[in-house]
Amino acid sequence: ETGVTQSPTHLIKTRGQQVTLRCSSQSGHNTVSWYQQALGQGPQFIFQYYREEENGRGNFPPRFSGLQFPNYSSELNVNALELDDSALYLCASRPTGTTQETQYFGPGTRLLVL
Amino acid sequence: GNSVTQMEGPVTLSEEAFLTINCTYTATGYPSLFWYVQYPGEGLQLLLKATKADDKGSNKGFEATYRKETTSFHLEKGSVQVSDSAVYFCALSSSGGSYIPTFGRGTSLIVHP
Repeated sequence: ETGVTQSPTHLIKTRGQQVTLRCSSQSGHNTVSWYQQALGQGPQFIFQYYREEENGRGNFPPRFSGLQFPNYSSELNVNALELDDSALYLCASRPTGTTQETQYFGPGTRLLVL
Repeated sequence: GNSVTQMEGPVTLSEEAFLTINCTYTATGYPSLFWYVQYPGEGLQLLLKATKADDKGSNKGFEATYRKETTSFHLEKGSVQVSDSAVYFCALSSSGGSYIPTFGRGTSLIVHP
């Protein structure tokens, strides 16, 4: 049990729509990262937030955006959905004062784009 | 850019067998190396890490040694248990700056009683 929850667990959208995925982590976890995991692949880093500011981004277009809130929750927003956006989306949080790889992953949200 | 290559699975073993899951990497500089594990129905969790050449990471009976000369970080365990059945991901992160990991595709391990 990592204490990181994600909602919804599953989601179906159509191409061109917008989606918001949510993540809730524990108190004191000031860093949150989001990953995309396509079927049969490893997680790909999307971006990271620290104290509500983005401070690292992977090779994803601007239609992937995020927010982090003071209550240790965060959102991943994806605009203009494409078929290739179908994947498992993971969030991971890190407690303040721990080494950078000490991430607690949520179970993920599985997104299907039709 | 950075990349990680893992052996394809699934790896199927009997209980108490010896496990090796191969991992090689391509990176500039001196990356840190990691193994993550994903048990069925759970999120990924860090299993072990090594931050410099010749370092050995270990946890729960698993070991991996950072081999810079062969750019490898193979995961080993002397005697696997049914409870080790999971997907194992090798990953690296370049030194300095934010932690931006590059993951391999994952290797599924199935251990039979």
